[in-house]
Amino acid sequence: QKEVEQNSGPLSVPEGAIASLNCTYSDRGSQSFFWYRQYSGKSPELIMFIYSNGDKEDGRFTAQLNKASQYVSLLIRDSQPSDSATYLCAARTGGGNKLTFGTGTQLKVEL
Amino acid sequence: DVKVTQSSRYLVKRTGEKVFLECVQDMDHENMFWYRQDPGLGLRLIYFSYDVKMKEKGDIPEGYSVSREKKERFSLILESASTNQTSMYLCASAGDKETQYFGPGTRLLVL
Repeated sequence: QKEVEQNSGPLSVPEGAIASLNCTYSDRGSQSFFWYRQYSGKSPELIMFIYSNGDKEDGRFTAQLNKASQYVSLLIRDSQPSDSATYLCAARTGGGNKLTFGTGTQLKVEL
Repeated sequence: DVKVTQSSRYLVKRTGEKVFLECVQDMDHENMFWYRQDPGLGLRLIYFSYDVKMKEKGDIPEGYSVSREKKERFSLILESASTNQTSMYLCASAGDKETQYFGPGTRLLVL
C-alpha cells in the first residue's frame, strides 16, 4: 500500500509565527509532491509542488523535500489567520498522473 | 486559469436511486479524476480517465461507474445509491504537467 502520512493536528501557531507542516511517504518511487490547502467546506487548491531535493520558495511558502528520508514539509512564514485551513500533502508515483493524498493537517493561526 | 465545474453543489437522493454527477473542465486536459472525501479518511480515488472513452479503477470503485464520451466531460454514476455513499465528491483534472485542479465539489446525502 503506497501511503502518505500526515499528523491530523490541529497545529496551533500564533499570528506572525512560522507554521511547519510535515508529511512522510512510503513509496521510494514517488517522484513529485504537492501541497494543497483546503478551507472548511471548500475544495482543495494547489499551493505548490516540488520535484527535487532541497527547498522551493514561493512567497510566504517554502516546500522542502528530502528523498533519502522520504519526507516533505511545508513552511508558512508570517502566518495569518487566513492561513487557517487543512493542508493536504500528495505524492505522485510512476508514469501516470495519479496522486496519493495524505489525510491532511489542520492548521489554526491564532490572534 | 483552469476551471473545473461540477453539476451540483448539494444533492439529496433516496436509497436505490441512480445518481449522476457531472464534471466539466475547460483546459483541454487529458486526465480527469473522481474522488470522495470523508472525515478522517481523506481523499480517496474512485475512478480516473486519461483519454476519451478510457477509464481506470481507483482505490474504491465498487458501487460506481464512470463515463467519458467527450474530453471535457467526466461523469460519475452511482448505479444504486446507498447511505454509505453519502460523502463529498470531488472532480479534478490534470494536463501533462500532472498538477490536479479541483472542482468545487458535490455534497451528496443519500437518505
